[in-house]
Order: sequence, then C-alpha cells, then structure tokens
Amino acid sequence: AQSVTQLDSQVPVFEEAPVELRCNYSSSVSVYLFWYVQYPNQGLQLLLKYLSGSTLVKGINGFEAEFNKSQTSFHLRKPSVHISDTAEYFCATMDSSYKLIFGSGTRLLVRP
Amino acid sequence: ETGVTQTPRHLVMGMTNKKSLKCEQHLGHNAMYWYKQSAKKPLELMFVYSLEERVENNSVPSRFSPECPNSSHLFLHLHTLQPEDSALYLCASSQKTGILAYGYTFGSGTRLTVV
Repeated sequence: AQSVTQLDSQVPVFEEAPVELRCNYSSSVSVYLFWYVQYPNQGLQLLLKYLSGSTLVKGINGFEAEFNKSQTSFHLRKPSVHISDTAEYFCATMDSSYKLIFGSGTRLLVRP
Repeated sequence: ETGVTQTPRHLVMGMTNKKSLKCEQHLGHNAMYWYKQSAKKPLELMFVYSLEERVENNSVPSRFSPECPNSSHLFLHLHTLQPEDSALYLCASSQKTGILAYGYTFGSGTRLTVV
C-alpha cells in the first residue's frame, strides 16, 4: 500500500530563517503527492501538489517542494518563514482509488 | 470559506446523547469523505461516498452512522459515543473524474468533545 512518512514531528525555526519539512513516500508506478497546511482550529488547505512534469513545484505562501524519484522524497521548503507560517503540515499521497493517504504531520513552530 | 461548510464548529455531548454532524459542498463534486483527526495520530479516513453511495467504511464502529442524501450533503450521525471519540471530524469533497486536477477540498471541521 502506498504511504508517506514524515520523520519530524516538530520543527522549530526562527523567523526569516529557511525551513525544510521532510516527506518520503513509498515507491509506486504512479506517484501523486500533496502538501496540506492546517492552521489552529482550521481544516486542511492545499499548499501544492505534484502530479507529473516539472519536479520543482511551487505553491501558495512562498512554499515549494521538489519531487526526487531516486530518494523517494518530496520535501517542502520555504526560504524565509514568518510567524504566520506556524501550523501543522501534512504530506499526502493518493492511492489507486483516489483516496488521500496522509503522513503523521509536522508541526512548524516559528519563533520571533 | 473553502466551499465545504461543516456545522456545528464545536459540539459537546454526553455518552448517551444522539447528535449529527453536517457537511455541505456546492463545488459540484461527486465524492465526499469523513476523516477523524485525534491528537498525536495521523488523519484517519472513516467513510467515502461516491455518487451518493458508500464505497468505503474503514472498520468504523457502528456508533458512527454516515448518511449522504444527495451529492451536496453528508451527515455523520453519532450515538452512545465514548470519550476516546473526542476529536476533530473533517469533511472533504472531490471531483473523482477530475481528481488529479483538483484534489480534495476540506471543511474547517467539527471539534467534538464527549463527556
């Protein structure tokens, strides 16, 4: 079964510093990958998705992710974070019946 | 507003109560989902409805009963819940034929507390 693994449960970072949130996926013929963000007391919002094509995917709020087939990774990056980026970030993949399978989440904590 | 509306936002219920969660979408999607989000656990897919038919039930206890009367509405009926059922319940919708383009749209969730 397809799955994703988020190794970091929490990532603390200072404001204006760069950040990388890690996600590894289980290898499959077709890979569809997503990053969602969840702000406190909110639902999930799509940040970006990789379906095919360019391996560098740009999303909303200045985030980007790179699909790396050889390392089976889809890490999320932002060159300079803001306090408002403090949230829970979920990596997800889609199985053959179009169901989203989520990772356990990474809490990004941005400190002033 | 994401296009998927969940009510109520917060619900406190006793273990003997009966209540319902409501989800509504007007995005023209034809698949709807219930997820459970508990503290320190991954999101758990509970039910999947496609074209108003339940296509998946991930071993959810019978005290949770979903209902999808039409493609725009999804309910989760609750009865005789346990304290461990306290969680954030998220509804989502998608357009299955166009899933690769659109992904899922989530509601803001209902925070359920069972006392």
